[in-house]
Amino acid sequence: GENVEQHPSTLSVQEGDSAVIKCTYSDSASNYFPWYKQELGKGPQLIIDIRSNVGEKKDQRIAVTLNKTAKHFSLHITETQPEDSAVYFCAASIQGGSTLGRLYFGRGTQLTVWP
Amino acid sequence: KAGVTQTPRYLIKTRGQQVTLSCSPISGHRSVSWYQQTPGQGLQFLFEYFSETQRNKGNFPGRFSGRQFSNSRSEMNVSTLELGDSALYLCASSLGTAGKAFFGQGTRLTVV
Repeated sequence: GENVEQHPSTLSVQEGDSAVIKCTYSDSASNYFPWYKQELGKGPQLIIDIRSNVGEKKDQRIAVTLNKTAKHFSLHITETQPEDSAVYFCAASIQGGSTLGRLYFGRGTQLTVWP
Repeated sequence: KAGVTQTPRYLIKTRGQQVTLSCSPISGHRSVSWYQQTPGQGLQFLFEYFSETQRNKGNFPGRFSGRQFSNSRSEMNVSTLELGDSALYLCASSLGTAGKAFFGQGTRLTVV
């Protein structure tokens, strides 16, 4: 099955700096790559996603890039704020037909933004 | 629009007992997936339901089962609980066709 690796496991940045989290996947059939943010005591919250026919997607301070050839994708957060502190998960999935498809998750990155 | 609702939020059970967890998806969503989250194993897929049919199943023993009702609400059941079943159980719903998955707050199960 699919294997998703995520780095780094912890990341500390100063407020206002940028943060980058990287993931690799193994199955070239994967075509959907969401990113989730999980705060303490809450469920994962979808923050951005990208499909395999797109190389980059941006939503305000958050952007995701995808390199299908190298099988890696990255999350970029600019102008970080203390409220960005959380655990971030990348995931990969094969979507098609009428089902969502199983999400394969990375192990997560604990991001801490210091004021 | 209300999000994914999971009940109960917290559960404490004894080894050998069974437990049923409930998930109400976002209105209009027809696909429901379940995941187990532990510090050691991370987020692991349990199963996915669409239109009351199990479409996909992860690598969990048969003690883990689920079902989906005609209103898309889903339940999962764990029988003969073991200490290692202690985890956060998360439910996600989506429209079903290449849709985005939205998670609930989870049910924290502790087995003692």
